[in-house]
Amino acid sequence: QITLKESGPTLVKPTQTLTLTCTFSGFSLSTSGVGVGWIRQPPGKALEWLALIYWNDDKRYSPSLKSRLTITKDTSKNQVVLTMTNMDPVDTATYYCAPSYCGGDCYYINWFDPWGQGTLVTVSS
Amino acid sequence: SYELTQPPSVSVSPGQTARITCSGDALPKQYAYWYQQKPGQAPVLVIYKDSERPSGIPERFSGSSSGTTVTLTISGVQAEDEADYYCQSADSSGTLFGGGTKLTVL
Repeated sequence: QITLKESGPTLVKPTQTLTLTCTFSGFSLSTSGVGVGWIRQPPGKALEWLALIYWNDDKRYSPSLKSRLTITKDTSKNQVVLTMTNMDPVDTATYYCAPSYCGGDCYYINWFDPWGQGTLVTVSS
Repeated sequence: SYELTQPPSVSVSPGQTARITCSGDALPKQYAYWYQQKPGQAPVLVIYKDSERPSGIPERFSGSSSGTTVTLTISGVQAEDEADYYCQSADSSGTLFGGGTKLTVL
């Protein structure tokens, strides 16, 4: 059974850096073809993909947020960490992590399944 | 920039068929994936690779593709299918989601 859980601060101040951790079980990020991505959803709005890291440390970022994001992995701890700098109230959202698998061709990102429960992050002074 | 376009809302009576579309220029070349999201819950994958159904997803959920449009079809809609539905696909920059469609079961 695959499970994921997001953790981090529920409240951050504008201009601060957000650090979120995704802790998972049921799969390994050392397995070829495995990746973990982050997706967010502002209240009442649509899903937005943020970043993804593959087993081989290949990292992908949303072009619109690339300058603010860093994704890393700790395979031994089964964790993926996302940092987002210069937080703004518009970054208030529920942040989800989820695994994504690629076959021989990992150029294009595939589907995410299953998803963690998400964690709501509010940006406010 | 590349976008996936979905209708904001679709309404259907119980037992009828609901069709939710997703349009994007790259869809003829890239697979689409569909997620169901109920209030307060995380999204759940209901269709992958345009038309494949994950285990545990009811057979009334199906997907199809034609040109620049992919369609999620829910046959014999039930009250429990009321939710938001999102399409997802890939491009050279990464991946993206459609704006979501709220399915209302009348």
